[in-house]
Amino acid sequence: QVQLQESGPGLVKPSETLSLTCSVSGGSTNIYYWSWIRQSPGKGLEWIGYVHNSGSTKYNPSVQSRVSLSMDTSKNQFSLKLISVTAADSGVYYCARGGMYWYSFEHWGRGKGVSVSS
Amino acid sequence: SYGLTQPTSVSVSPGRTATITCSGDNLGQRYTFWYQQKEGQSPVQVIYEDNKRPSGIPERFSGSSSGNTATLTISGIQASDEADYYCQSWDIDTALFGGGTKLTVL
Repeated sequence: QVQLQESGPGLVKPSETLSLTCSVSGGSTNIYYWSWIRQSPGKGLEWIGYVHNSGSTKYNPSVQSRVSLSMDTSKNQFSLKLISVTAADSGVYYCARGGMYWYSFEHWGRGKGVSVSS
Repeated sequence: SYGLTQPTSVSVSPGRTATITCSGDNLGQRYTFWYQQKEGQSPVQVIYEDNKRPSGIPERFSGSSSGNTATLTISGIQASDEADYYCQSWDIDTALFGGGTKLTVL
């Protein structure tokens, strides 16, 4: 059974860069699409973007100018970088694996809480 | 921009049937997925491609979709079904979630 685990700083200063990594076990990152999804405190879910081992990426227009996703298949990991963060970027960040379609999120990590504060 | 609308809350007594709707323009023409999120946990997919259940999801969970509305139905409600439920679809290469429905078991 595939498992995903997010890691990275839990506290980021305003205007700085949020960086998270998702480590995948029990499956290869060489197939499927891999996404980041966030959830603001007390609010719903927002898809951030996906990355594929082919190098293909797609981002939500709401963050497109500030986000980049990358993948390291040798480490079975993929990463998120979000620049120029504000308090509105605080929340729980989940990594997830797509299924038959990239927009079917079959497996999720446990989530990483990130607070943007000085 | 495309949006998905869910009721904020639904309450149901144990053993009864809960119905959660998700509305969006021509939603029936694209796949809808449903996720269950219990307090303090990550979401779990309970329905994919409108009406299919992933392995391990009880038969009590079912889905349908037609026109502008997708529906998640949970029969024989149990206390353990109390959670937030999110519908999800996609539009122009962007995945979209509904605002979520809090299911309360009375």
